[in-house]
Amino acid sequence: QSVLTQPPSVSAAPGQKVTISCSGSSSNIGNKHVSWYQQLPGTAPKLLIYENNKRPSGIPDRFSGSKSGTSATLGITGLQTGDEADYYCGTWDTSLSEGVFGGGTKLTVL
Amino acid sequence: EVQLVESGGGLVKPGGSLRLSCAASGFTFSSYNMNWVRQAPGKGLEWVSSISIRSGYIYYADSVKGRFTVSRENAKNSLYLQMNSLRAEDTAVYYCAREPPGSDYFDYWGPGTQVTVSS
Repeated sequence: QSVLTQPPSVSAAPGQKVTISCSGSSSNIGNKHVSWYQQLPGTAPKLLIYENNKRPSGIPDRFSGSKSGTSATLGITGLQTGDEADYYCGTWDTSLSEGVFGGGTKLTVL
Repeated sequence: EVQLVESGGGLVKPGGSLRLSCAASGFTFSSYNMNWVRQAPGKGLEWVSSISIRSGYIYYADSVKGRFTVSRENAKNSLYLQMNSLRAEDTAVYYCAREPPGSDYFDYWGPGTQVTVSS
């Protein structure tokens, strides 16, 4: 059971938009920044979004992040087949003094 | 170019020990906090441990506390994870990940090293 809750899977057609939610609590998302990671099959995770809504260099603006209260959302527009991957949210939990991740969401581009 | 390369994984019997290493290059290793994150087969990411720049702050997941020890040698640009009393549930790919100071995210990850605990 992950500390952060994500939907197990989402799907959409190429060119469409999808959102992935990440729900936490006051001890994690509520008072810490959220980051998002993309893990393509058979590869290491890659940072997509940091500090709730910032994109590292090289990440296209099709990817966006937002946070409100104890929840965060990753948005992906103009879906491409190459976006098929597992997506994870992460942050620090101040009560546990541990890093925490969501259980991951598998994106399928139909 | 930032590079993180893990090594030291392998097959070990339950109750055994293993020491993982992470070799860093392409950045000033001594200026970054470092972390270990693992991923069991077919499962999600699990944070394992964090160590600050001068090893003054060290944290562990409850699942490994008392069995795993994280350390670093800034002069050798290296991060380590000593794993003792290994259990089947420790079977996973272990990643080292760089954490910018004052942040809560991991901006670079290594390719990972496989640890399998089985008799």
